[in-house]
Amino acid sequence: GENVEQHPSTLSVQEGDSAVIKCTYSDSASNYFPWYKQELGKRPQLIIDIRSNVGEKKDQRIAVTLNKTAKHFSLHITETQPEDSAVYFCAASMRFTGNQFYFGTGTSLTVIP
Amino acid sequence: GAVVSQHPSWVICKSGTSVKIECRSLDFQATTMFWYRQFPKQSLMLMATSNEGSKATYEQGVEKDKFLINHASLTLSTLTVTSAHPEDSSFYICSANQKNTEAFFGQGTRLTVV
Repeated sequence: GENVEQHPSTLSVQEGDSAVIKCTYSDSASNYFPWYKQELGKRPQLIIDIRSNVGEKKDQRIAVTLNKTAKHFSLHITETQPEDSAVYFCAASMRFTGNQFYFGTGTSLTVIP
Repeated sequence: GAVVSQHPSWVICKSGTSVKIECRSLDFQATTMFWYRQFPKQSLMLMATSNEGSKATYEQGVEKDKFLINHASLTLSTLTVTSAHPEDSSFYICSANQKNTEAFFGQGTRLTVV
């Protein structure tokens, strides 16, 4: 199956700074890459996603970039706020042919006020 | 967005007993649902794909006889952990997709086997 790697595992930033989380995937057939935010003991919540026919997508302070050739994608959070503190997971999926999500190992983000 | 409900939210059971976890799509039909397992401070590991009306597809390393999955209707999938042991204690989460859209997750079930 797909193998998704995620870095870093922990990340601390000052409030207002930017945070970047990177993921790589192994299966070139993957074509859908969502990012989830998970607070302790709660379900993952989708924050942004990107499809393989798009290189970049932005939603307010959150952006995701995708490099299909290199098989990596990144999450960028600008102007971080304390409420951004959570665990973030990237995932890769072969949409239209299964929809199983293979998750990265997670990044624990702490925004220091 | 669509709603996926999981029940129970937490359960404590004795070693050797079986536990059933339900996953329901409340406002849409899901021909496919997915079961994940999450250990503390770790990622979500895909366990199996639950297919309505047919056998589940298990990921490599997941014991199908231990984790029984039944997807009897378009809105309900169940995961039964049979003969549970302390090492089965974990957070189990299901997800379901509407066709070609994002996945919606249940709230998760925290299983503790004592």
